[in-house]
Order: sequence, then C-alpha cells, then structure tokens
Amino acid sequence: AQTVTQSQPEMSVQEAETVTLSCTYDTSESNYYLFWYKQPPSRQMILVIRQEAYKQQNATENRFSVNFQKAAKSFSLKISDSQLGDTAMYFCAFTTFYRDDKIIFGKGTRLHILP
Amino acid sequence: NAGVTQTPKFQVLKTGQSMTLQCAQDMNHNSMYWYRQDPGMGLRLIYYSASEGTTDKGEVPNGYNVSRLNKREFSLRLESAAPSQTSVYFCASLGGAVEQFFGPGTRLTVL
Repeated sequence: AQTVTQSQPEMSVQEAETVTLSCTYDTSESNYYLFWYKQPPSRQMILVIRQEAYKQQNATENRFSVNFQKAAKSFSLKISDSQLGDTAMYFCAFTTFYRDDKIIFGKGTRLHILP
Repeated sequence: NAGVTQTPKFQVLKTGQSMTLQCAQDMNHNSMYWYRQDPGMGLRLIYYSASEGTTDKGEVPNGYNVSRLNKREFSLRLESAAPSQTSVYFCASLGGAVEQFFGPGTRLTVL
C-alpha cells in the first residue's frame, strides 16, 4: 500500500526566511504524481505545486519549489522569502493516477510564519 | 461555475442518528472523493468514485455509505452516527490536469 509520511508536525520561521517541509512516500509504481496542498485557517484546500514522477526537472511556482528525489522517494517543499500569508497546514499527497484515482495524503505540517 | 459545493456546512447529531452529506461539482469531472480530517491525522480517504455508477473504499470506510447519484453528485451517508465520526468532512473532485478541487468542508459533531 502506498503511504505518505510528513515527519515535521509543526514548524516556525521568521518572515522572509526560507523554510523546507519534508515528505517521503512509499510506492512500487514508477508513474505517479506528487502534490503539496496548503490549508489556511479558512480551511480551504489550495493546490500549491504538482510534480510528475517521470519529469526530472523540479517543479516551481513563484516562491514555492520542490526537491524531488525519486530514488530516495523524497519530495520536499521549499518556501522562499516566507510571508505571513504562508501560515497554514501543508499536506503532501500522492497518486498513481494511471492505476487508479486514489489520492493519499500525509498527516500534514503546521507552519507558522512569525513577524 | 461554483466548483465543488457541500451541504450542510455544520451539523450536530446525537449518537445513533443518521444523516447524508451532499456534494456536487459542476466541472464535469469523473472522479469524486470523500475525506475526513481529524487533528494530527491529516486527510483520510473514506470512499471515492472513479466514474458514475462506481464506488471504492478508501482507508476508513467503516460506518459510512456513499452514492454516486450521477456525474455531478456524490453523497456520504452515516446510518448510525457515533462520537468517533466527529470530524470535518471534505468532498473533492479530480480535474483533467490531475488537480483535486475541494469543497469548503462540513464540520460534524456527534454527541
């Protein structure tokens, strides 16, 4: 069974600093997608970034980038120049997509950006 | 274009009562999902539906039933609510670019 592990339940950083959130996953599949979702206090789930396993290049979206290490089954999220609005729960998620549409989430990391 | 809508937003039940959580999407997506979110547990998949007329169990299906009424609607039913089912419930659908769209959530309390 596929699993997603986020080893940091909670983190705090100062505004403008860079922070990295960790995620590891376990699968025997070679084709899959990985995601980072943000959940601010409003509770709305927002897609931050998506990575396709067959793409070597790490995905980036403005201040958000990932470090995808396929062999190590690691998928970390880096937030540069952190802002107060980045305060939220962050979830890592995984799907094989090609095999079935099941999407599995990690337990989340609560990130606090301090002024 | 409302995206994914869920009703109700809040609900309080007594142990043993039944209720149905409604979910609808207007994006013509095939796949739809029900998750529950509990503190420290992340989002756990209850059931999902890859297409109209099909449903599959997720990680925590016990105590729940689902119906994929048509392509738009995917409902979650609690036949006999228990305090352990107190949670926030999210419905989601999956777009063609492998992006999930989530509803606003339903906060359910079972006394």
